[in-house]
Amino acid sequence: KNQVEQSPQSLIILEGKNCTLQCNYTVSPFSNLRWYKQDTGRGPVSLTIMTFSENTKSNGRYTATLDADTKQSSLHITASQLSDSASYICVVNLSGGYNKLIFGAGTRLAVHP
Amino acid sequence: GAGVSQSPSNKVTEKGKDVELRCDPISGHTALYWYRQSLGQGLEFLIYFQGNSAPDKSGLPSDRFSAERTGGSVSTLTIQRTQQEDSAVYLCASLLAGGPYNEQFFGPGTRLTVL
Repeated sequence: KNQVEQSPQSLIILEGKNCTLQCNYTVSPFSNLRWYKQDTGRGPVSLTIMTFSENTKSNGRYTATLDADTKQSSLHITASQLSDSASYICVVNLSGGYNKLIFGAGTRLAVHP
Repeated sequence: GAGVSQSPSNKVTEKGKDVELRCDPISGHTALYWYRQSLGQGLEFLIYFQGNSAPDKSGLPSDRFSAERTGGSVSTLTIQRTQQEDSAVYLCASLLAGGPYNEQFFGPGTRLTVL
C-alpha cells in the first residue's frame, strides 16, 4: 500500500533553534518527493521538490534530504523563526499517470519565543 | 489572478443541505485536483480533471459527491445531502504539466462545517 509516514506528529522548539522532521514512504513507482508548508487556514505551499536522483535540496533555511534506497527523507530547519510555526507535509508523487500525490499527515511545528 | 482561488472560504450548513464549492485555477493550467483535509489527517485525493474530463474520480467518498469543470477552467465540487462527517477543509490545486516536477499549486481551501 502506498503510504507516507511522518514523525514527530508535533514539535515545539524555541526561536533560533534548529530542528529536523522525518518522512518515511512506501510509494512505488516513485517520481519525486516534496515538502510543503501549510500555515493555519491556508493551502500548502511547496518548499522543496526532489527527484530520486537528488539527495539534497535547499530553500533558504530549509534543507531537505532524500535517501531513495531507504525511502527516507528529512526536512531540516535552521535558526527557526516564529513564522516557521506551521504544519510541514511530506508528499510523494507517483510516477506515471496524472501526478497523483500521496500525502503524509504532517508534522505540526510550534516555534516559541 | 496570480494563484488558485477558492470560494467561499468558510461554509456552515445544516445536515441534509446541498453545498457547492468553487475553484478558480491558475490561468492556463490544464490539470485540476480536489482534495479533502479532515482535522489531523493528511490530504485525501477526491478527483482529478484534465481539461473538462475527469479521468479519475476514484477518491469521491460517495455518490453524494460530484464535480464538474467547464471551459477548462473553473471547477465546482457539489456535496448533496451533507452529513456531519463531510466537515473538513476542501482544497483545490492546479498544475501546468511539463518538466521533472509537475508542481501542483494549492488554493487556500474552503472550510466546510456541517451542523
